Parts: sequence; structure tokens; C-alpha cells
Amino acid sequence: ETGVTQSPTHLIKTRGQQVTLRCSSQSGHNTVSWYQQALGQGPQFIFQYYREEENGRGNFPPRFSGLQFPNYSSELNVNALELDDSALYLCASHQGGRSYEQYFGPGTRLTVT
Amino acid sequence: SQQGEEDPQALSIQEGENATMNCSYKTSINNLQWYRQNSGRGLVHLILIRSNEREKHSGRLRVTLDTSKKSSSLLITASRAADTASYFCATDPYLGANSKLTFGKGITLSVRP
Repeated sequence: ETGVTQSPTHLIKTRGQQVTLRCSSQSGHNTVSWYQQALGQGPQFIFQYYREEENGRGNFPPRFSGLQFPNYSSELNVNALELDDSALYLCASHQGGRSYEQYFGPGTRLTVT
Repeated sequence: SQQGEEDPQALSIQEGENATMNCSYKTSINNLQWYRQNSGRGLVHLILIRSNEREKHSGRLRVTLDTSKKSSSLLITASRAADTASYFCATDPYLGANSKLTFGKGITLSVRP
């Protein structure tokens, strides 16, 4: 088990709604990355936060947004939910500049109906 | 989009046998990492190999990297039923501070007791 936690574990939302997912990074880590994993696929990079600033973004629309707080925890917000947003959302933390290995949380399973 | 492609997509072996999984990728990398995922939960880092390394060992794991062929292989020796999981290779192109991973679709390994 890593020290990365995510909440909630499961979530069911209706198309068009908005959702906020939360992630607490492992102690000592200043970088958080978010990934979306559709069923049967590998994780896809959404974006990364380093010291409270966005530090790279994958091929996701602007309705996916995020925040990182001074304690390095992070939020992922998704507006105007679509059915295809149903997936496992994973956050991962690491110490930017010192290590490349990422520590993943258990994920949040989002179902959009 | 997925950068890496693992093969085979699924592998079923008997306990005690060796499991070999392959990964090919398309662009230049700084390092390549292998992760394991149990039952759609969080990913666990297994091993990292840098672009200037050809082979690395960790316990029952052996990973090789051939940058000229843009390919890597993961060998798990003396497999156990507990090794049953999905395995992903992930490439990281950056030399700088912040690791951003691109995953393949994964390999499902089943180890029969």
C-alpha cells in the first residue's frame, strides 16, 4: 500500500453534472498526476501539478480541471459529465526532480449514467 | 493515446513457470517503467530502467531494454498464484524534473496453482 489516498471510492453521477475527486499525496511528494483508465485500457495522463501549478496536460478537454493545495493534495474537477467519462480515475504522486517512480492511489470509480 | 503496446495481451501459465511480457514503444524515452494492477485498483511500481541501461534485476523480476528496437521485456521467474494481475509498461520521455507516464494497454497474467 502506498501513502496516496483518494476519495470517494465510488461515485455515480448523471450526464451533465459536475464532479470533484480528491487525492492526498504521499508524505514528502510535491507532484501529483491524474490519470483516467477506461475499462480494459491502460491509464491515460490527464494533467500534472507541481508545487501548486499545472505542469503539463494530456489530450483532455478544458472541462477537466484541477487544483493542488499548499499541502500538495489535489482535486480533479470534471464539468458537464459525459457517458464516456465513466472510468477509474487514478492519482499518483512523486517527488518532482528526485525520482521518477510514481506512487498510485487506489482510484475513484466514476460511473456516469 | 497509448504509446506502448504490450504483448501478449493475455498470458496463462502454471505456477513455477516463467512469464515473459514484451512492450514496444514509439518515441524517445528517458526511462521505462513496469507497473502491476490487481483487479482494477491502484497501480504498483515494479521496476524502472533508464535509457542508458540494458538490463536490470529486482528479486524475481528481470527487465531488459533495447532502445534501438524501442522495446522492453519483463521476465517474472518462478511465478506464483499471487502474481496474477495486469501488467503495464509505461514510458517517460523527460530528462527534467517531472515524470509524465504514457501507458500501454496492459497484459493480463493468470498463474494457475
